[in-house]
Amino acid sequence: AQRVTQPEKLLSVFKGAPVELKCNYSYSGSPELFWYVQYSRQRLQLLLRHISRESIKGFTADLNKGETSFHLKKPFAQEEDSAMYYCARPMDSNYQLIWGAGTKLIIKP
Amino acid sequence: EAGVTQFPSHSVIEKGQTVTLRCDPISGHDNLYWYRRVMGKEIKFLLHFVKESKQDESGMPNNRFLAERTGGTYSTLKVQPAELEDSGVYFCASSQDLRQTQYFGPGTRLLVL
Repeated sequence: AQRVTQPEKLLSVFKGAPVELKCNYSYSGSPELFWYVQYSRQRLQLLLRHISRESIKGFTADLNKGETSFHLKKPFAQEEDSAMYYCARPMDSNYQLIWGAGTKLIIKP
Repeated sequence: EAGVTQFPSHSVIEKGQTVTLRCDPISGHDNLYWYRRVMGKEIKFLLHFVKESKQDESGMPNNRFLAERTGGTYSTLKVQPAELEDSGVYFCASSQDLRQTQYFGPGTRLLVL
């Protein structure tokens, strides 16, 4: 079965420090991968998708097929980055999303 | 553009009662998904509609859950009778085409006592 793994439930870093949220996926052909974010009292929203290769809010994520990873990175964390972050991938059939367990990111002042 | 809306935002019911959750997708979005996050676990897929047709309901936990999307617009998810393990947050998402971004509603937080 396809899986998405986020090993860290909680990640706490100081403002200005680099951030890396880990995501690994089970190998399956050419995967598509996403990062979704949920800020406090807001809805889930798409942050990044790997095919777009863009940087959103200073975050980037590179698909590493050799390591089957799609880690989310930001060089200098800001307090407003505090949120729940979910890694997800779509199933081939109907594009339903398979989710990691989520990582709660706390940026300390 | 109005986003995906869900009603109610919260529901507290007793075991054995019935609850109906509603999702209004973004206008023109044919694809509608229901997901659920049970406390302490990851978000899980429940089912997928394309217009009014159920494409995949493999994630529905059991036959106490019934989803409909009459007319291909809004969708309802009914739980009857509710059990304690049904507590969680129920999310709805919609997308215009199958491989496009899914936009999420705010979720309905269900608590079964």
